[in-house]
Amino acid sequence: EDQVTQSPEALRLQEGESSSLNCSYTVSGLRGLFWYRQDPGKGPEFLFTLYSAGEEKEKERLKATLTKKESFLHITAPKPEDSATYLCAVQASGGSYIPTFGRGTSLIVHP
Amino acid sequence: DADVTQTPRNRITKTGKRIMLECSQTKGHDRMYWYRQDPGLGLRLIYYSFDVKDINKGEISDGYSVSRQAQAKFSLSLESAIPNQTALYFCATSGGAGANVLTFGAGSRLTVL
Repeated sequence: EDQVTQSPEALRLQEGESSSLNCSYTVSGLRGLFWYRQDPGKGPEFLFTLYSAGEEKEKERLKATLTKKESFLHITAPKPEDSATYLCAVQASGGSYIPTFGRGTSLIVHP
Repeated sequence: DADVTQTPRNRITKTGKRIMLECSQTKGHDRMYWYRQDPGLGLRLIYYSFDVKDINKGEISDGYSVSRQAQAKFSLSLESAIPNQTALYFCATSGGAGANVLTFGAGSRLTVL
């Protein structure tokens, strides 16, 4: 059974204080790992897809990296508008390709 | 207009009532999904459909049913609502060049009293 564990559950940062969110996964063959951002009262929005160990993707202050067991979402010099819940999902290479989601990390950035 | 539209956005109902949540999409995607989100539990898959004639159960389908009326429409029904079905429900689609990426609606918040 595919499993996705995100840590920490919640993270509070001061504006400009860089940090990382973790997504560890167990899957029988990784087809893709996805990061989504969810703002309160809204649906998740796609950020990145990573396909193989060593791959990195960047968007503004966010950088996602991937190893064979986990992914990190690095947030550099965050701003209050980066406050959101960040969701990680994995898609296995076999079966129906339905993604399995982690429970998310709630990030609050204080000004 | 949103790519994935859910109605209603908010609904309060009573135990035993039948409820339908509707989802329509303008992305032309073949695949549609219904998820449920509860605090601390993340997103859990209820049902999914890969085309109009294809319906599949997810991990928590008990107490729910779905109908794929057209490529663009996928509705979720609670035949007899119960309080532990109180949750935030999301419809999502995927397909095309980004077949692995989900596009979510804004959500339907359901409260069962």
